Amino acid sequence: QVKLLQSGAALVKPGASVKMSCKASGYTFTDYWVSWVKQSHGKSLEWIGEIYPNSGATNFNEKFKGKATLTVDKSTSTAYMELSRLTSEDSAIYYCTRSGTGFDYWGQGVMVTVSS
Amino acid sequence: DIQMTQSPSSMSVSLGDTVTITCRASQDVGIYVNWFQQKPGKSPRRMIYRATNLADGVPSRFSGSRSGSDYSLTISSLESEDVADYHCLQYDEYPYTFGAGTKLELK
Repeated sequence: QVKLLQSGAALVKPGASVKMSCKASGYTFTDYWVSWVKQSHGKSLEWIGEIYPNSGATNFNEKFKGKATLTVDKSTSTAYMELSRLTSEDSAIYYCTRSGTGFDYWGQGVMVTVSS
Repeated sequence: DIQMTQSPSSMSVSLGDTVTITCRASQDVGIYVNWFQQKPGKSPRRMIYRATNLADGVPSRFSGSRSGSDYSLTISSLESEDVADYHCLQYDEYPYTFGAGTKLELK
């Protein structure tokens, strides 16, 4: 069955970067876009961007350009998102989801806390 | 960006109620609207895709509909397991955008 397994929670200092992973299984990883979604304050959701693993093509929400970098490792069927120059506004839960099939499967989420 | 105006933001409900949540799109998004259920500490779960299609494993008391730019999620005969947050999403145009969410609470 399809699974998206995300890396663990992160506590990072302001100004630092964090890189999180999303390991896919149960389907052909290179065939479907993977999106990343931010959830702040336990409620609202924001689409950050997406990556097509086969080519590495990306689409971004303008709001997150320069903040988020999306990459993949096809050999391990893993998508990555790196967030840079972290501030308190980046404290949130981040989900990966298979958007190429209409957001049908989601990872369990990564809680990122930015604090000194 | 396309705005998805979701209402109500919260709703006090009773078991057995019929509940309707609505998202109004600020521009045409066609059929590309999904509905998600989210319970505390859990990931969103897709309930409805392409406006009216029931996702796999979702009970038939859930349904989606469209009237012009208004998209609705209806839960018939609410059960306790349906008490959760609900989100709409448009994925017709970049950036994809979500509604602000609706929280269902038991009276």
